Amino acid sequence: DTGVSQDPRHKITKRGQNVTFRCDPISEHNRLYWYRQTLGQGPEFLTYFQNEAQLEKSRLLSDRFSAERPKGSFSTLEIQRTEQGDSAMYLCASSLGTGGEQYFGPGTRLTVT
Amino acid sequence: GIQVEQSPPDLILQEGANSTLRCNFSDSVNNLQWFHQNPWGQLINLFYIPSGTKQNGRLSATTVATERYSLLYISSSQTTDSGVYFCAVVGNDYKLSFGAGTTVTVRA
Repeated sequence: DTGVSQDPRHKITKRGQNVTFRCDPISEHNRLYWYRQTLGQGPEFLTYFQNEAQLEKSRLLSDRFSAERPKGSFSTLEIQRTEQGDSAMYLCASSLGTGGEQYFGPGTRLTVT
Repeated sequence: GIQVEQSPPDLILQEGANSTLRCNFSDSVNNLQWFHQNPWGQLINLFYIPSGTKQNGRLSATTVATERYSLLYISSSQTTDSGVYFCAVVGNDYKLSFGAGTTVTVRA
């Protein structure tokens, strides 16, 4: 297995457009997480899936954000009507079981102009 | 949520020097991880260490869970050690709470 992968690696979009990111976790991992990292800060939790169930969303995740993991494998994160404040690195991680070590993908760097 | 404080915020080293990075956390944890973030933003797993001591080459880490801190040691630093080091913990939930990081610069 090659680890967690994310696509695209970079995305530049204009304010008001919708964007969608994809994350493919390590194949046997049942837990998948999304985090967001802005410049000079540590990553912050956005949402979490166990298999296909989305179990928690952070208050950082406004109504413009939606995440899915339809078959318990890959996940998508969609941002509608993007704003300049959405510019950040979006990181995906996966783990096996409760408290398991989390492994991160390379991230998708979003720039909203 | 759990508060995580890392120190120092910045560290400048001469190649070959040793250093210690510290991570304090505000509550008991079920998981503690150290990461190195490379210039492209990738978080590289260094240690999964909720308690005890581990070593991997020139790096080692110790977590004293009862006193709520962890230390990352870098020995004989190399320029490739430069980057941001993050400590992150999991409490009674499942999400990692990160510190603000320590930026390490190793000069040749």
